[in-house]
Amino acid sequence: EVQLVESGGGLVQPGGSLRLSCAASGFTFSSYSMNWVRQAPGKGLEWVSYISSSSSTIYYADSVKGRFTISRDNAKNSLYLQMNSLRDEDTAVYYCARGQNPWGQGTLVTVSS
Amino acid sequence: DIQMTQSPSTLSASVGDRVTITCRASQSISSWLAWYQQKPGKAPKLLIYKASSLESGVPSRFSGSGSGTEFTLTISSLQPDDFATYYCQQYNSYLWTFGQGTKVEIK
Repeated sequence: EVQLVESGGGLVQPGGSLRLSCAASGFTFSSYSMNWVRQAPGKGLEWVSYISSSSSTIYYADSVKGRFTISRDNAKNSLYLQMNSLRDEDTAVYYCARGQNPWGQGTLVTVSS
Repeated sequence: DIQMTQSPSTLSASVGDRVTITCRASQSISSWLAWYQQKPGKAPKLLIYKASSLESGVPSRFSGSGSGTEFTLTISSLQPDDFATYYCQQYNSYLWTFGQGTKVEIK
């Protein structure tokens, strides 16, 4: 079964850092590009970042550029999102996604003092 | 960036109704459009990809159409399990963008 499982969310103060992980199983992770998408409470979906299968191509949404870093470890079948200088508006459920399907179940990040 | 405009934002309908949701792209995205269904507390579920291809396991009452800049999601006969929020998404660009969502409510 193709599966993505996020972890690493939690409560963090403004200005703090957090690292999200996404564990992939059931498919050849190293062959696929991956994305992070987030959803603020009660709001719509917002794409955050893209990484190609070999990590050679990376894109970020303007809202996180310079603060977030996407990476992957194909040997560990894992995707990461390092989030620095966190702001209140970064509060959201963060999903990892392999293209349009599947998506993980999400991990909640709350930025609050 | 490509902007996606989805309408309506809310739709009230009854079981058995035919429902149509529209999504418009700010520039041509060919057929690189997906539709998702989301229920509270759950991840989005893929319904349609490449504008009109039905994802495996999705009921045939869901259908998608369109190309270029105008797209439509149709539910032919609304069922109780279909009350949810629906999003369109363009993936013509690596920088995905989503519509604002359409909440389908019970009339």
